[in-house]
Amino acid sequence: NAGVTQTPKFRILKIGQSMTLQCTQDMNHNYMYWYRQDPGMGLKLIYYSVGAGITDKGEVPNGYNVSRSTTEDFPLRLELAAPSQTSVYFCASSQVGRGLAGGRETQYFGPGTRLLVL
Amino acid sequence: LAKTTQPISMDSYEGQEVNITCSHNNIATNDYITWYQQFPSQGPRFIIQGYKTKVTNEVASLFIPADRKSSTLSLPRVSLSDTAVYYCLVPNDMRFGAGTRLTVKP
Repeated sequence: NAGVTQTPKFRILKIGQSMTLQCTQDMNHNYMYWYRQDPGMGLKLIYYSVGAGITDKGEVPNGYNVSRSTTEDFPLRLELAAPSQTSVYFCASSQVGRGLAGGRETQYFGPGTRLLVL
Repeated sequence: LAKTTQPISMDSYEGQEVNITCSHNNIATNDYITWYQQFPSQGPRFIIQGYKTKVTNEVASLFIPADRKSSTLSLPRVSLSDTAVYYCLVPNDMRFGAGTRLTVKP
């Protein structure tokens, strides 16, 4: 099992450009998440998905879009990159949803994508 | 809404035992407490989870008192490689906040 994989590892974007961050998991998890982490800060939830075809907003969704056409893939789209989106982006997956089942789920994280918007 | 509180940072030396306490005063009756560890430039990873009393695995121990309003992550004999940020999560507060930044010194 590769677990959760993310591509690319690092990317520099110019203001106004768009890009898609890829995330794939091979654990057959229904739940997938996108987080961003600014330097020295905790992780903030951008979007999440409870299964193929179902997505919902997290704490900081503005400027991002997601889709979930398969169980394995959960891409994150930035349409008009802004300097405020400079961050490290982590994708995660879990068998049970965050906070459900009394919190007995485990989230598995990918290695992250470092994005710099100039 | 339950909220967790943990120290922002801690320093230790190699070989010492480190205890990081998290308070979660409003934890619900059936909720588990989960701790994650995040090394620099990596995503968080699960290290331990518990409901009450004591849980131990190959990485750490988790102590939860009877009232369950707090929990303590214990790392025995830390090494430099234990330098990381440690997050405490409960179901009603699943935010990865600032966590506790542990620095282990030689």
